[in-house]
This record gives sequence, structure tokens and C-alpha cells, in this order.
Amino acid sequence: SYELTQPPSVSVSPGQTARITCSGDALPRKYVYWYQLKSDQAPVLIIYEDNKRPSGIPERFSGSSSGSMATLTITGTQVADEADYYCFSTDSSGNHRVFGGGTQLTVL
Amino acid sequence: QLQLQASGPGLVKPSETLSLHCTVSGGSVTSENYYWAWIRQTAGKRLEWIGYVFYSGNLVYSPPLKSRLALSIDSSKNQFSLKLTSVTAADTGLYYCARGVARAGNGQLDVWGLGIPVTVSS
Repeated sequence: SYELTQPPSVSVSPGQTARITCSGDALPRKYVYWYQLKSDQAPVLIIYEDNKRPSGIPERFSGSSSGSMATLTITGTQVADEADYYCFSTDSSGNHRVFGGGTQLTVL
Repeated sequence: QLQLQASGPGLVKPSETLSLHCTVSGGSVTSENYYWAWIRQTAGKRLEWIGYVFYSGNLVYSPPLKSRLALSIDSSKNQFSLKLTSVTAADTGLYYCARGVARAGNGQLDVWGLGIPVTVSS
């Protein structure tokens, strides 16, 4: 089955830049989406189609994709950005839709 | 503002059928621009895509769950539903319903409900 690989955790200090990666064989051909999950809250879409930001998502969130790796970048990270972040995409056939294993972002 | 609310039993016995409903408010399940999805978070906080349904009747299921899964839409109640048969402890988790934007990639889940916890246990 298809897999997307993320680092389990990333730590940054407030104001620094956080980068969370997501790797998968089909990423050169398939879009990546990024979701933010916080306890007891509904998940939030923060990036779609590799690098597009939904309305209401702060500009400090950006996405990029190159080759087999996609990256979520948070510039000027805030304590409020502490959360689990998941990438989402499909395999080359489009039949297997998967989430990455998730990355816990700690801001301290 | 669109809101989604999942409902259903929090406890299901092994081998029985899990039935969940997601009620949509502030919008309509009949819109052709969207699809209606289920996702779950299982042990170790892993997210698993379950499947989605269009009002047109088009269904897309996760291959590992396909033989046990049925998704449907009830426009009279403005809700969509999930049925998962022959459940085991591995189906225990937090189940989310979400709205997806029907466009390239079909991964744009732009509105989510709060998850509903489900435990499979005798």
C-alpha cells in the first residue's frame, strides 16, 4: 500500500521558521494537502493543491512540493501553531488516498 | 456557515455494524460542487481516509474497507451516513465527517465536524 512519510516531531522556538516534510513516490504527479489537528477541535485545512492557502489561513503558512517531497513551512511560528500536522495525497493510480503519519509541532 | 455534526453509538460490539450519521447545517448535501467524506483517527493518532460520496451517487471507498463499508446520503434529512459491518477492535477510533471540494485531487476537505469517538468492545 502507498505511504506518505513525515517526521514524528518538529520543535521550534517562537518566531522561528518550522518546516514539516512529507515524502511519497507519487508526489511528483499528485497534489498534497495539509491539515492541522488540535485536541478537541475540528481539523483544519491549511494548504491545498501543494501551495494554495484557503481563506482565513494566516500568510505565515505556506506549502511547496518538489520531486517526491512536499514541505509545509510556518514562518514566524507562534505558540498557537502547536498542533499535529498531517499531509494527504493519493498514489499514482488515484485509488489509494492516504494521510502521512503526522508531525507533532512543538513551539517552545 | 457550514457545520457538520456526527452522531451515533459510542460503543459497538465486535462483529456488529457501526452506523454513523453526519448532519449538515448551513448548506445542502445536494450541492454538485462538493462531496461528503469520512475519516477516522485510530491508535497512535494515525489518520485513515474511509471514503466519500457525491449526491450524484458516485462512491469512492478505501480499498481495505470496501468490502465492509457503505456510504449514503439522505437529502430529506440533509445528512450523510456510514455503515461499517463486522467491526473489530481495530475499528476503534475517532470518526470525523467532512465536506470535500469537488476539484482536481479531491483531497480538499474544507469543513470538518468534531470527531465522534467509537469503541468496539464486548
